[in-house]
Amino acid sequence: DQQVKQNSPSLSVQEGRISILNCDYTNSMFDYFLWYKKYPAEGPTFLISISSIKDKNEDGRFTVFLNKSAKHLSLHIVPSQPGDSAVYFCAASVYNNNDMRFGAGTRLTVKP
Amino acid sequence: GAGVSQSPSNKVTEKGKDVELRCDPISGHTALYWYRQSLGQGLEFLIYFQGNSAPDKSGLPSDRFSAERTGGSVSTLTIQRTQQEDSAVYLCASSLWGYSNQPQHFGDGTRLSIL
Repeated sequence: DQQVKQNSPSLSVQEGRISILNCDYTNSMFDYFLWYKKYPAEGPTFLISISSIKDKNEDGRFTVFLNKSAKHLSLHIVPSQPGDSAVYFCAASVYNNNDMRFGAGTRLTVKP
Repeated sequence: GAGVSQSPSNKVTEKGKDVELRCDPISGHTALYWYRQSLGQGLEFLIYFQGNSAPDKSGLPSDRFSAERTGGSVSTLTIQRTQQEDSAVYLCASSLWGYSNQPQHFGDGTRLSIL
């Protein structure tokens, strides 16, 4: 039962351009969303989050957009840098609930 | 370091053997989670500990899986009579409190391979 889906397993972008990673969810009860970044042989690290009361949250080069009606969120990275090359996981949860659901991840490659 | 520490980093064992995976959370974090990531899949929730409360075991895939958390700190995930489908990366995470709006801090995982 995949409640969080990342339909693009991989994405390749030129350095300096925008990277857009997408995530869809099915559970309308989800009200908190996070993006994690994972390098090989390391655990995921928290990148940015958004609660359902907002539709946008920005942190430096990273912006997360939430479209509740479409049950869709996206992560924008501008400008993309080679060091951004990693696997990005989308996660969603219901506030005060232990069960955070993760997508399968999207491997981003930023080419110099 | 001050991060979540997991050991061993890699474990290869024969089918049918028992394995123990260890997690040292960040000091002061009351919430501890175990996940696994099978090849090409997302992170699958296994079990959650919050302080001295009874753990949420709803994600454990079978009764061969169990976990303990001693003294509210170190946790051990045990898999008995391992099967090939248990091969995965097992990730531990901790957070200050057990509320889902708090980012979790992950260890580097244990890569388990069942021959």
